[in-house]
Amino acid sequence: EAGVTQFPSHSVIEKGQTVTLRCDPISGHDNLYWYRRVMGKEIKFLLHFVKESKQDESGMPNNRFLAERTGGTYSTLKVQPAELEDSGVYFCASSQGGRGDTYEQYFGPGTRLTVT
Amino acid sequence: KNQVEQSPQSLIILEGKNCTLQCNYTVSPFSNLRWYKQDTGRGPVSLTIMTFSENTKSNGRYTATLDADTKQSSLHITASQLSDSASYICVVRGSGTYKYIFGTGTRLKVLA
Repeated sequence: EAGVTQFPSHSVIEKGQTVTLRCDPISGHDNLYWYRRVMGKEIKFLLHFVKESKQDESGMPNNRFLAERTGGTYSTLKVQPAELEDSGVYFCASSQGGRGDTYEQYFGPGTRLTVT
Repeated sequence: KNQVEQSPQSLIILEGKNCTLQCNYTVSPFSNLRWYKQDTGRGPVSLTIMTFSENTKSNGRYTATLDADTKQSSLHITASQLSDSASYICVVRGSGTYKYIFGTGTRLKVLA
């Protein structure tokens, strides 16, 4: 069974440009999460989907970030326009559906975004 | 503010030795606490998940403890191997939320 995949693995863009990150969760996982780690800091929650619905987007930094999950399958995270402080590693994770508190969360390898 | 703090920030040990990593949290109300191992350039991988009622859980050479009263957890690694070199991250989830709070991690290096 394939794990969580993310594309691209690295992206270098200039300030003001647009970038779209993609995450493919494990098949059948209803819960999908986006996280970000900026240099030297802890991983921080951005948002959580259950199927195609946003359950919690309290961690999204500002309205330059837009996440979607088409048909409850893969998800995209768009940054438009990118700023220098958006640089970091963006992780996606998925877990099974339901209200279970102890479902395993499986992480993708991350997308390293560098804004110059 | 809900926080998860880990110590030490970094640790160097010799292969075959044991070590213990610490995690203190203030997340309340509490649901569960997780320890992850993160290799360089990879995503975190789950080691243990502990709920309020559990105070010890093992996964091979990894043993996690939880004291929900004092809001402390530890991860003990027995007979360390070179492949244990990684960052170890403590993550706490509050009750009634799917939001996970991450610690900054402990970077462990195991030397031959």
